[in-house]
Amino acid sequence: GAGVSQSPSNKVTEKGKDVELRCDPISGHTALYWYRQSLGQGLEFLIYFQGNSAPDKSGLPSDRFSAERTGGSVSTLTIQRTQQEDSAVYLCASSRMRGGLTDTQYFGPGTRLTVL
Amino acid sequence: AQSVTQLGSHVSVSEGALVLLRCNYSSSVPPYLFWYVQYPNQGLQLLLKYTTGATLVKGINGFEAEFKKSETSFHLTKPSAHMSDAAEYFCAVSGNTGNQFYFGTGTSLTVIP
Repeated sequence: GAGVSQSPSNKVTEKGKDVELRCDPISGHTALYWYRQSLGQGLEFLIYFQGNSAPDKSGLPSDRFSAERTGGSVSTLTIQRTQQEDSAVYLCASSRMRGGLTDTQYFGPGTRLTVL
Repeated sequence: AQSVTQLGSHVSVSEGALVLLRCNYSSSVPPYLFWYVQYPNQGLQLLLKYTTGATLVKGINGFEAEFKKSETSFHLTKPSAHMSDAAEYFCAVSGNTGNQFYFGTGTSLTVIP
């Protein structure tokens, strides 16, 4: 079946502009995660959605970042008034629950954001 | 809260030598454990995982890992390194509260010809 898809694959924007990044998870996966990976760095957790529960936003770095998940499927990560330090690869992952725990996360290819 | 510790942010091995990448976790109950690999300029893909049952799990590309509850460890090994194994490796644990997924900071593996 189809994997996790993300769009766009690359986004170049000017400082101060808003950007929207999209994630299409695997069908049937109730959990969806957003991460940020800066060059040569590890994964920075941003936000987590699980079913109809309130999202865990504890990883969002500032109030310029927000995300929503419509109909329990597609998710959009929005960054307002982008700054150069927002430049990174933004990764989306989805998973199903198993035995009350999160099972394997399947990652999308990422969106490379460059803020000039 | 859960945490994952990967000892050694950079590991270098000679081609043909044993690969050992260390991962320790903190958890009050046995979690699910994962190793992911990220090749240069690519996304993350699952190498192997432990959920229940046999504590020695085998993954793709000849890698394996053993869950040791007494040591709270899940070290990744491969008997003989290949040049194509050069990549970033991430250990991860599924939280026992059923929500978060915790990643280690990653280990960059270099294979020396």
